[in-house]
Amino acid sequence: GQQVMQIPQYQHVQEGEDFTTYCNSSTTLSNIQWYKQRPGGHPVFLIQLVKSGEVKKQKRLTFQFGEAKKNSSLHITATQTTDVGTYFCARRPGGSNYKLTFGKGTLLTVNP
Amino acid sequence: DADVTQTPRNRITKTGKRIMLECSQTKGHDRMYWYRQDPGLGLRLIYYSFDVKDINKGEISDGYSVSRQAQAKFSLSLESAIPNQTALYFCATSDPGQGHSNQPQHFGDGTRLSIL
Repeated sequence: GQQVMQIPQYQHVQEGEDFTTYCNSSTTLSNIQWYKQRPGGHPVFLIQLVKSGEVKKQKRLTFQFGEAKKNSSLHITATQTTDVGTYFCARRPGGSNYKLTFGKGTLLTVNP
Repeated sequence: DADVTQTPRNRITKTGKRIMLECSQTKGHDRMYWYRQDPGLGLRLIYYSFDVKDINKGEISDGYSVSRQAQAKFSLSLESAIPNQTALYFCATSDPGQGHSNQPQHFGDGTRLSIL
């Protein structure tokens, strides 16, 4: 199937360190969405990227969409304990169908 | 989102039992989805519905069925539960997308299902 590969699967950082997760596809993406799931919670939409080379920021979070629209990244500057959770990217498979395929996620833990 | 309500929140049952998980939404969205989440495997789509008369299989529909009783209600059934269906199940809703853009999906709080 048309999967997205997310790396790393796990990341443990000290509070204040930066964190980056990557989402890679072998095919061109129409768009990429990012979600965050806190421990014990449900996925919550963060952002959508549509344009080639797009960069969007939400406070300490920076989202990028590659020029070729085959990869994306989420970077967190100066992590805080509130950043703990699993970050998922999600893509729309080829064709006109608007359902999403989710990556396996990156679990971020932060040591205070 | 409180706008997407799943019941029950937790369920323990035995192999071979029929189980129904229910999802209702007050967001007015046409599109509803059922996902399964297992550790290390992310979210996998079981079934989705783009309106009341439209039901589609996702990537792991075997052993599951769904019913879209109304725009606001989408239920998932396990006709004869088996232990490897033990998982966390999420319902989600969204508006239709346009062009290259999808609409965000809004998730319920999940149902934790254990099959013994």
